[in-house]
Amino acid sequence: QVQLVQSGPEVKKPGSSVTVSCKASGGSFNNHAINWVRRAPGQGLEWIGTIIPIFGTTYYAQRLQGRVTITADTSTSTVYMDLRSLRSEDTAVYYCARPKTTVTSDALNIWGQGTKVTVAS
Amino acid sequence: QSVLTQPPSVSGGPGQRVTISCSGSDSNIGDHGVNWYQHLPGEAPKLLMYYSYLLPSGVSGRFSGSKSGTSASLAISGLQSEDEGDYYCSVWDGSLNGWVFGGGTKLTVL
Repeated sequence: QVQLVQSGPEVKKPGSSVTVSCKASGGSFNNHAINWVRRAPGQGLEWIGTIIPIFGTTYYAQRLQGRVTITADTSTSTVYMDLRSLRSEDTAVYYCARPKTTVTSDALNIWGQGTKVTVAS
Repeated sequence: QSVLTQPPSVSGGPGQRVTISCSGSDSNIGDHGVNWYQHLPGEAPKLLMYYSYLLPSGVSGRFSGSKSGTSASLAISGLQSEDEGDYYCSVWDGSLNGWVFGGGTKLTVL
């Protein structure tokens, strides 16, 4: 059974950067798209971006483009999300998620446990 | 403002049935199956429905889904207190090359 295990909580200052990791275990990694989704306090779910590790192909939400980079290390089955120029509005719980299949547009039915990122001065 | 439109809240008594709607456009709901997620406090989102009306393994048959044109809906029958939480519709948008989510609907069991 595939599991996604994320890195621990982060507290960052405005203007700084954060890196959140997501390690896959128990199944194949390269061919499955890994997505990042966040939920800010009082807000809904927001898609951040997607990577297909085997190709390194990435897609990003337009409103975060330029501040976010998603990378994959296939040797350790780990995906990283870097978010730069942090603002208070980036305070959220960040989740990685993937479909059960290798179809990028299939439903996200495997989720990481979430990583709380707090941006405060 | 979300690309997919959901009511902010719905409510119902124990044992009752509620429906949550999700409205989109040709490029998202009109072109792809709709997925529904349940997000309970302190937990990761959970897939409730995929391809608009298919139940993932382990999800209760009290949940059902449908889609027509550019709209979809999720129905929950036999409401239970543990159903309280936030529900989101989502679909892959080919024009954006990414996932779009509804704004979420808070379900309250009275």
